[in-house]
Amino acid sequence: QKEVEQDPGPLSVPEGAIVSLNCTYSNSAFQYFMWYRQYSRKGPELLMYTYSSGNKEDGRFTAQVDKSSKYISLFIRDSQPSDSATYLCAMRTGRRALTFGSGTRLQVQP
Amino acid sequence: NAGVTQTPKFQVLKTGQSMTLQCAQDMNHNSMYWYRQDPGMGLRLIYYSASEGTTDKGEVPNGYNVSRLNKREFSLRLESAAPSQTSVYFCASSEALRSSGANVLTFGAGSRLTVL
Repeated sequence: QKEVEQDPGPLSVPEGAIVSLNCTYSNSAFQYFMWYRQYSRKGPELLMYTYSSGNKEDGRFTAQVDKSSKYISLFIRDSQPSDSATYLCAMRTGRRALTFGSGTRLQVQP
Repeated sequence: NAGVTQTPKFQVLKTGQSMTLQCAQDMNHNSMYWYRQDPGMGLRLIYYSASEGTTDKGEVPNGYNVSRLNKREFSLRLESAAPSQTSVYFCASSEALRSSGANVLTFGAGSRLTVL
């Protein structure tokens, strides 16, 4: 079983919709949670970072972490065609390098 | 500011051939990483170098070797390529792999490798 599970999609939504992307994980030691965005044929880039449980908001993006359920979410409000990309969750603990989910491909239709 | 530069961007190999993927960063980062990305599998860590002079295995190291040439450069070598190594390879770097903190990675643009 993978340590981090993520629905691959694709997820197709109309412009302006609220998007919910999710990951579950099995290692309760994970403390640092990130979302990376990857455009086609590009390298991933950091979008959001949260430590432990709680919410973090940055513009149209909100990241949530529920450590009791081992579940993290990324919400995108007022989605735009430019948000079309693959979204990868990532997490780590201690001195371990990041462990990534498999990514969810999002398509926002104009 | 180039960030993380990978070469080559594309490569086609025959089974059994060898090659080296090169990676260089200009951000004075201490830690460097090699990931491979396959459909449905996400990014999987091959090897990493927490600091100059050290290297460690990641999740999928078999069939690969690495060299941390200096603080800037971290190369990945395939000694005898196999079709299972067909993938997109990403190099990344971070300030330092510590016991705490986000360890934000900066990625290169990727190297697409096909092994026939």
